[in-house]
Amino acid sequence: AQSVTQLDSQVPVFEEAPVELRCNYSSSVSVYLFWYVQYPNQGLQLLLKYLSGSTLVKSINGFEAEFNKSQTSFHLRKPSVHISDTAEYFCAVSENNAGNMLTFGGGTRLMVKP
Amino acid sequence: IAGITQAPTSQILAAGRRMTLRCTQDMRHNAMYWYRQDLGLGLRLIHYSNTAGTTGKGEVPDGYSVSRANTDDFPLTLASAVPSQTSVYFCASAPSGEAYNEQFFGPGTRLTVL
Repeated sequence: AQSVTQLDSQVPVFEEAPVELRCNYSSSVSVYLFWYVQYPNQGLQLLLKYLSGSTLVKSINGFEAEFNKSQTSFHLRKPSVHISDTAEYFCAVSENNAGNMLTFGGGTRLMVKP
Repeated sequence: IAGITQAPTSQILAAGRRMTLRCTQDMRHNAMYWYRQDLGLGLRLIHYSNTAGTTGKGEVPDGYSVSRANTDDFPLTLASAVPSQTSVYFCASAPSGEAYNEQFFGPGTRLTVL
């Protein structure tokens, strides 16, 4: 069975600073990887995903994540954060032979300060 | 506006009472899911349904039941609520049960069992 570890429960950062949210997973088979974002008092929404091909995937609002198979990681980065990026970020994995059964990490709360 | 609706938004419930959380989607998605969100644990899958008429157990199914009589509705029932079921519950849907699909989440139901 797969598992996902998000190493930081909270990440405080000043506006316009770079940020990296770490995600490591374990699985014995090929996986698909996702980052979801949850703004306060809302449901989750997809930020970006890796299915195959280029290991670097990008979102429309400046986030990017790189799939590293050897390190079983899928860290999320942004070169310059905004106040509006304050949210909880969840890394998730699904095994490509087990249907759409997402396993989520514990979440990282990104707190952007002015 | 297409999406997922959940009801109620929040509920306080006495232990031992029966409760049904409602979920409706209008995207004609085949797959639907119920998760619970607890601090530090991320989201954990309770039950899922890959198509109308079929359901399956997720990671934490005990104390919960679901039904899928039609494509649009996927109610979650707590037969006899216990305090450990205090959580935020999210319903989600996807076009199909394939592992590569994005899941679309509802706004959540905050349930407190006293």
